[in-house]
Amino acid sequence: GIQVEQSPPDLILQEGANSTLRCNFSDSVNNLQWFHQNPWGQLINLFYIPSGTKQNGRLSATTVATERYSLLYISSSQTTDSGVYFCAVVSDSNYQLIWGAGTKLIIKP
Amino acid sequence: NAGVTQTPKFRILKIGQSMTLQCTQDMNHNYMYWYRQDPGMGLKLIYYSVGAGITDKGEVPNGYNVSRSTTEDFPLRLELAAPSQTSVYFCASSYLSGSAYNEQFFGPGTRLTVL
Repeated sequence: GIQVEQSPPDLILQEGANSTLRCNFSDSVNNLQWFHQNPWGQLINLFYIPSGTKQNGRLSATTVATERYSLLYISSSQTTDSGVYFCAVVSDSNYQLIWGAGTKLIIKP
Repeated sequence: NAGVTQTPKFRILKIGQSMTLQCTQDMNHNYMYWYRQDPGMGLKLIYYSVGAGITDKGEVPNGYNVSRSTTEDFPLRLELAAPSQTSVYFCASSYLSGSAYNEQFFGPGTRLTVL
């Protein structure tokens, strides 16, 4: 089955810093989603991005499907950005999401 | 739109007890999913449904049952709860038309502890 690897596993930054999170996947995928899981456990949809680049405020994402990776950029980090960021790709067989292990981001004030 | 709603938010069960986790979506999505998330991990698929009356197993179905009698509701049943079922359970939904996949939307989760 498809393997999804995220890096780095942990990231600690000062408020205001920029960061890049990476997601590699082992096979071609139809679609990919990025999520933020906040410290209260809520899953927040960030991007639905099978290919190309999207931006939403301080966040942007790029997926290069032919090279099997996606990047999530966070600029001017705020403490509310803390949490775990998950990348998940879609399995063709039943459209289930295959999840990476996540990147735990801590933003210090 | 309320999106995907789940009840209860928290529950503590004793070993061997049973319970049903409720999930409802108001987006007229045809696909619905149940995932579990263990501490420090990503989510794993338990069961999914492609429409009313049709369900299928995911990666970790043992110890669970589902039904889908309506488009809106997709309850997850735990029979004979075990400590290994202590986890956070997420319900999700999406709309597929032909082979066109659309993003999945998630409920707030149910935190279950089995003692």
